[in-house]
Amino acid sequence: NAGVTQTPKFRVLKTGQSMTLLCAQDMNHEYMYWYRQDPGMGLRLIHYSVGEGTTAKGEVPDGYNVSRLKKQNFLLGLESAAPSQTSVYFCASSQASSGKETQYFGPGTRLLVL
Amino acid sequence: GENVEQHPSTLSVQEGDSAVIKCTYSDSASNYFPWYKQELGKRPQLIIDIRSNVGEKKDQRIAVTLNKTAKHFSLHITETQPEDSAVYFCAASMNRDDKIIFGKGTRLHILP
Repeated sequence: NAGVTQTPKFRVLKTGQSMTLLCAQDMNHEYMYWYRQDPGMGLRLIHYSVGEGTTAKGEVPDGYNVSRLKKQNFLLGLESAAPSQTSVYFCASSQASSGKETQYFGPGTRLLVL
Repeated sequence: GENVEQHPSTLSVQEGDSAVIKCTYSDSASNYFPWYKQELGKRPQLIIDIRSNVGEKKDQRIAVTLNKTAKHFSLHITETQPEDSAVYFCAASMNRDDKIIFGKGTRLHILP
């Protein structure tokens, strides 16, 4: 099993450009999460999904959109990138609610917005 | 909503000594407290967790304690080794919630 994978690993965008980050998991997990990690700020939840076709906002959802059309995939979109969105983005998944189960993280996507 | 505070932000200990990282949480309804370790350039990985029905849990050199009354929990690493150098995150979650809230992390340096 590959576990949780993320595409791409690294990306440079210009302000105003759009892009989609892809997260895929092969563990048949119901729950999936998108976090951003900035120095000194820890891991902040952007959006999450409790099952196929569902999404919910986290702590810092502004400027991002998500979709969960298939159970194994969770997409994070930036419609108009801003320099403040320069960060490392981690996807995670868990079998049940994160209140009860381990979250498995992907390797991360490093995004630089110029 | 839940707020998790973590201290210290940086910790240096001599190899072989013990390290303690402390976290506090704001919502008394929180009942699940995991700890994640993130090595440089790697993804976070769960190292230990505790639920609110127990006060302490140990796994070899790692232990976590929970004080529900004071709303704080701590990670204890004994006999530290070079491979313990990493960033450690505490987190808290409520049973009725589908997400966990992370602290800002502690960078642990093990000195030779």
